[in-house]
Amino acid sequence: AQKITQTQPGMFVQEKEAVTLDCTYDTSDPSYGLFWYKQPSSGEMIFLIYQGSYDQQNATEGRYSLNFQKARKSANLVISASQLGDSAMYFCAMREGSGTSYGKLTFGQGTILTVHP
Amino acid sequence: DGGITQSPKYLFRKEGQNVTLSCEQNLNHDAMYWYRQDPGQGLRLIYYSQIVNDFQKGDIAEGYSVSREKKESFPLTVTSAQKNPTAFYLCASSVPLGPYNEQFFGPGTRLTVL
Repeated sequence: AQKITQTQPGMFVQEKEAVTLDCTYDTSDPSYGLFWYKQPSSGEMIFLIYQGSYDQQNATEGRYSLNFQKARKSANLVISASQLGDSAMYFCAMREGSGTSYGKLTFGQGTILTVHP
Repeated sequence: DGGITQSPKYLFRKEGQNVTLSCEQNLNHDAMYWYRQDPGQGLRLIYYSQIVNDFQKGDIAEGYSVSREKKESFPLTVTSAQKNPTAFYLCASSVPLGPYNEQFFGPGTRLTVL
Protein backbone atom coordinates (compact mmCIF):
# COMPACT_ATOMS: atom_id res chain seq x y z
CA ALA A 1 0.00 0.00 0.00
CA GLN A 2 1.17 3.50 -0.80
CA LYS A 3 2.30 5.29 2.32
CA ILE A 4 2.53 8.70 0.67
CA THR A 5 0.21 9.71 -2.15
CA GLN A 6 0.54 12.81 -4.28
CA THR A 7 -2.34 12.78 -6.72
CA GLN A 8 -1.34 15.79 -8.81
CA PRO A 9 1.33 14.87 -11.37
CA GLY A 10 1.48 18.49 -12.53
CA MET A 11 0.18 21.86 -11.38
CA PHE A 12 0.19 25.28 -13.00
CA VAL A 13 -0.03 28.61 -11.20
CA GLN A 14 0.21 32.24 -12.20
CA GLU A 15 3.06 34.25 -10.72
CA LYS A 16 2.13 35.96 -7.41
CA GLU A 17 -0.82 33.62 -6.83
CA ALA A 18 -1.04 30.92 -4.17
CA VAL A 19 -1.01 27.21 -4.92
CA THR A 20 -1.75 24.08 -2.89
CA LEU A 21 0.04 20.80 -3.49
CA ASP A 22 -1.77 17.78 -2.10
CA CYS A 23 -0.33 14.99 0.01
CA THR A 24 -2.06 12.18 1.86
CA TYR A 25 -0.31 9.61 3.99
CA ASP A 26 -0.97 6.30 5.65
CA THR A 27 0.56 5.10 8.89
CA SER A 28 -0.46 3.33 12.08
CA ASP A 29 2.47 4.78 14.03
CA PRO A 30 1.29 7.56 16.37
CA SER A 31 4.67 9.25 16.10
CA TYR A 32 5.65 10.48 12.65
CA GLY A 33 6.93 13.49 10.80
CA LEU A 34 5.96 14.92 7.46
CA PHE A 35 8.36 16.76 5.17
CA TRP A 36 8.21 18.68 1.95
CA TYR A 37 11.19 18.89 -0.37
CA LYS A 38 11.73 20.87 -3.55
CA GLN A 39 13.74 19.43 -6.43
CA PRO A 40 14.74 21.92 -9.14
CA SER A 41 15.85 20.69 -12.55
CA SER A 42 19.43 20.54 -11.24
CA GLY A 43 18.41 17.52 -9.16
CA GLU A 44 19.33 18.64 -5.65
CA MET A 45 16.73 18.14 -2.93
CA ILE A 46 15.93 21.21 -0.83
CA PHE A 47 14.16 20.83 2.52
CA LEU A 48 11.21 23.22 2.79
CA ILE A 49 9.07 22.48 5.83
CA TYR A 50 8.34 19.94 8.56
CA GLN A 51 5.24 18.96 10.55
CA GLY A 52 5.37 16.60 13.51
CA SER A 53 2.41 14.36 14.30
CA TYR A 54 2.03 15.90 17.75
CA ASP A 55 2.37 19.49 16.63
CA GLN A 56 -0.77 21.44 17.45
CA GLN A 57 -0.24 24.20 14.95
CA ASN A 58 0.36 24.11 11.22
CA ALA A 59 4.00 24.65 10.28
CA THR A 60 5.02 27.78 8.41
CA GLU A 61 8.33 28.79 6.86
CA GLY A 62 8.27 32.06 4.98
CA ARG A 63 6.02 31.63 1.93
CA TYR A 64 5.50 27.94 2.70
CA SER A 65 2.85 26.62 5.03
CA LEU A 66 1.64 23.13 5.70
CA ASN A 67 -2.10 22.49 6.00
CA PHE A 68 -2.05 19.53 8.40
CA GLN A 69 -5.34 17.67 8.81
CA LYS A 70 -4.51 14.72 11.03
CA ALA A 71 -7.91 13.05 10.95
CA ARG A 72 -7.88 13.10 7.16
CA LYS A 73 -4.21 12.11 7.06
CA SER A 74 -3.38 14.96 4.75
CA ALA A 75 -0.43 17.35 4.75
CA ASN A 76 -0.87 19.78 1.90
CA LEU A 77 1.80 22.33 1.04
CA VAL A 78 0.65 25.87 0.40
CA ILE A 79 2.97 28.23 -1.45
CA SER A 80 1.87 31.84 -1.27
CA ALA A 81 2.84 34.55 -3.76
CA SER A 82 4.38 32.11 -6.27
CA GLN A 83 7.60 33.09 -7.97
CA LEU A 84 9.12 31.88 -11.22
CA GLY A 85 11.87 30.22 -9.18
CA ASP A 86 9.27 28.01 -7.50
CA SER A 87 8.97 25.96 -10.70
CA ALA A 88 10.27 22.54 -9.68
CA MET A 89 9.25 19.07 -8.58
CA TYR A 90 7.86 18.92 -5.04
CA PHE A 91 7.96 15.82 -2.88
CA CYS A 92 6.04 14.97 0.24
CA ALA A 93 7.80 12.51 2.57
CA MET A 94 7.08 10.79 5.87
CA ARG A 95 9.28 9.55 8.68
CA GLU A 96 7.77 6.94 10.97
CA GLY A 97 9.64 7.20 14.22
CA SER A 98 10.44 4.09 16.20
CA GLY A 99 13.59 2.11 16.92
CA THR A 100 15.99 1.57 14.05
CA SER A 101 13.50 2.93 11.52
CA TYR A 102 13.98 6.36 12.99
CA GLY A 103 15.11 8.67 10.22
CA LYS A 104 14.00 6.64 7.20
CA LEU A 105 11.92 8.68 4.78
CA THR A 106 9.22 7.40 2.46
CA PHE A 107 8.60 9.68 -0.52
CA GLY A 108 5.59 10.31 -2.69
CA GLN A 109 5.74 10.36 -6.48
CA GLY A 110 6.04 14.12 -6.63
CA THR A 111 4.18 17.02 -8.23
CA ILE A 112 5.71 19.17 -10.95
CA LEU A 113 4.84 22.80 -10.36
CA THR A 114 5.08 25.29 -13.21
CA VAL A 115 4.79 28.99 -12.45
CA HIS A 116 3.67 31.14 -15.38
CA PRO A 117 4.65 34.84 -15.64
CA ASP B 1 31.26 25.39 3.87
CA GLY B 2 29.55 22.36 5.35
CA GLY B 3 27.74 20.04 3.01
CA ILE B 4 27.52 16.77 1.15
CA THR B 5 29.56 16.05 -1.92
CA GLN B 6 28.89 13.34 -4.44
CA SER B 7 31.22 12.51 -7.25
CA PRO B 8 31.16 12.28 -10.10
CA LYS B 9 28.06 14.16 -11.29
CA TYR B 10 27.74 11.95 -14.38
CA LEU B 11 29.00 8.39 -14.65
CA PHE B 12 28.95 6.00 -17.58
CA ARG B 13 29.69 2.32 -17.29
CA LYS B 14 29.45 -0.77 -19.41
CA GLU B 15 26.96 -3.44 -18.53
CA GLY B 16 28.43 -6.05 -16.20
CA GLN B 17 30.88 -3.72 -14.46
CA ASN B 18 30.68 -2.80 -10.81
CA VAL B 19 30.80 0.91 -10.09
CA THR B 20 31.26 2.83 -6.83
CA LEU B 21 29.56 6.16 -6.15
CA SER B 22 31.18 8.46 -3.65
CA CYS B 23 29.41 10.35 -0.87
CA GLU B 24 31.23 12.53 1.66
CA GLN B 25 29.79 14.86 4.30
CA ASN B 26 31.45 17.34 6.65
CA LEU B 27 28.32 18.13 8.64
CA ASN B 28 29.30 15.77 11.45
CA HIS B 29 26.04 13.90 10.91
CA ASP B 30 25.71 10.39 12.29
CA ALA B 31 23.19 9.03 9.80
CA MET B 32 23.66 8.66 6.05
CA TYR B 33 21.36 7.38 3.32
CA TRP B 34 21.37 6.35 -0.33
CA TYR B 35 18.35 6.83 -2.56
CA ARG B 36 17.59 5.96 -6.12
CA GLN B 37 15.38 8.12 -8.33
CA ASP B 38 14.01 7.02 -11.69
CA PRO B 39 12.66 9.58 -14.20
CA GLY B 40 9.44 11.21 -13.02
CA GLN B 41 9.44 9.16 -9.83
CA GLY B 42 9.97 9.65 -6.14
CA LEU B 43 13.03 8.56 -4.19
CA ARG B 44 13.44 4.99 -3.00
CA LEU B 45 15.75 4.04 -0.15
CA ILE B 46 18.61 1.68 -1.00
CA TYR B 47 20.68 1.57 2.22
CA TYR B 48 21.09 3.63 5.33
CA SER B 49 23.56 3.85 8.18
CA GLN B 50 23.01 5.41 11.59
CA ILE B 51 26.50 4.86 12.98
CA VAL B 52 29.96 3.90 11.74
CA ASN B 53 30.41 0.23 10.88
CA ASP B 54 26.67 -0.39 10.84
CA PHE B 55 24.14 -0.17 8.03
CA GLN B 56 20.73 -1.54 7.12
CA LYS B 57 19.00 -2.45 3.88
CA GLY B 58 16.33 -0.15 2.58
CA ASP B 59 13.49 -1.00 0.26
CA ILE B 60 15.55 -1.78 -2.85
CA ALA B 61 18.94 -3.08 -1.62
CA GLU B 62 19.30 -5.97 -4.08
CA GLY B 63 22.27 -5.48 -6.39
CA TYR B 64 23.84 -2.78 -4.21
CA SER B 65 26.41 -2.79 -1.42
CA VAL B 66 27.71 -0.13 0.98
CA SER B 67 30.35 0.39 3.63
CA ARG B 68 30.62 2.86 6.51
CA GLU B 69 34.20 2.80 7.75
CA LYS B 70 34.30 6.52 8.51
CA LYS B 71 31.63 8.88 9.78
CA GLU B 72 32.15 11.21 6.83
CA SER B 73 31.95 8.65 4.05
CA PHE B 74 29.25 6.27 2.79
CA PRO B 75 30.17 4.87 -0.65
CA LEU B 76 27.64 2.91 -2.68
CA THR B 77 28.66 0.11 -5.04
CA VAL B 78 26.31 -0.75 -7.86
CA THR B 79 27.09 -4.34 -8.71
CA SER B 80 26.53 -6.27 -11.91
CA ALA B 81 23.66 -8.03 -10.11
CA GLN B 82 21.58 -4.84 -10.25
CA LYS B 83 19.32 -5.48 -13.22
CA ASN B 84 18.52 -1.90 -14.15
CA PRO B 85 21.17 0.38 -12.65
CA THR B 86 20.65 3.45 -14.87
CA ALA B 87 19.19 6.08 -12.52
CA PHE B 88 19.87 9.21 -10.50
CA TYR B 89 21.46 8.42 -7.13
CA LEU B 90 21.16 10.76 -4.17
CA CYS B 91 23.05 10.60 -0.91
CA ALA B 92 21.75 12.25 2.24
CA SER B 93 22.71 12.70 5.86
CA SER B 94 20.93 13.69 9.05
CA VAL B 95 21.28 14.02 12.79
CA PRO B 96 19.11 11.20 14.18
CA LEU B 97 18.18 13.03 17.34
CA GLY B 98 17.69 16.47 15.81
CA PRO B 99 14.38 18.34 16.21
CA TYR B 100 13.26 17.66 12.68
CA ASN B 101 15.69 14.98 11.62
CA GLU B 102 15.46 16.47 8.16
CA GLN B 103 17.78 14.95 5.66
CA PHE B 104 20.31 17.06 3.81
CA PHE B 105 21.01 15.91 0.29
CA GLY B 106 24.00 15.93 -1.98
CA PRO B 107 23.83 17.07 -5.62
CA GLY B 108 23.42 13.50 -6.92
CA THR B 109 25.17 11.24 -9.42
CA ARG B 110 23.51 10.33 -12.68
CA LEU B 111 24.58 6.81 -13.61
CA THR B 112 24.12 5.51 -17.13
CA VAL B 113 24.91 1.90 -17.92
CA LEU B 114 25.53 1.28 -21.61
